[in-house]
Amino acid sequence: NAGVMQNPRHLVRRRGQEARLRCSPMKGHSHVYWYRQLPEEGLKFMVYLQKENIIDESGMPKERFSAEFPKEGPSILRIQQVVRGDSAAYFCASSPTGTNQNSPLHFGNGTRLTVT
Amino acid sequence: QQPVQSPQAVILREGEDAVINCSSSKALYSVHWYRQKHGEAPVFLMILLKGGEQKGHEKISASFNEKKQQSSLYLTASQLSYSGTYFCGTRGIPNFVFGPGTRLSVLP
Repeated sequence: NAGVMQNPRHLVRRRGQEARLRCSPMKGHSHVYWYRQLPEEGLKFMVYLQKENIIDESGMPKERFSAEFPKEGPSILRIQQVVRGDSAAYFCASSPTGTNQNSPLHFGNGTRLTVT
Repeated sequence: QQPVQSPQAVILREGEDAVINCSSSKALYSVHWYRQKHGEAPVFLMILLKGGEQKGHEKISASFNEKKQQSSLYLTASQLSYSGTYFCGTRGIPNFVFGPGTRLSVLP
């Protein structure tokens, strides 16, 4: 099955540590979106990437957060010096094209980050 | 800008109908609908395009009025499996944003 793969499923970090979340898009998909979801809340857009390019990072906090999608390998969402407020579920989604209105997003199962 | 959804939550008995609305202050070229069950990933239901109405999933259908910048999701003869949170999503330029969600609970 070539679905969107995220790992790890669960990640526990202490305050001040770094968190690295990985997302491998579906086969043939070159567009990746990252979303943050707090418990009982909606999907907040963070960043949209194509291979080797950040297209829109308007939803990313200015500090401590970064994302990449290299030519080879998964997309990485990196959170430095985590704080308790970073605890959330982080979902990535992929699509074959970015602007085609007919392309649905396919979601991974998410990474649940807990900061202690 | 994030679309708006109403109602925030709905409680139904099995077999009852529900309507979930989605609207935007910006021009819409398409509207996507997704359902998320507790603890799971959102799952794509259907896409509505300009000028189109589409039935895409079980007894769930939707309409899209691009002039009013609104879409509605219709759930008929609801089943227990319909429970979850429904999100509408719209493509911005160049991102993709979701409404805050409508939580649907179907009771036996």
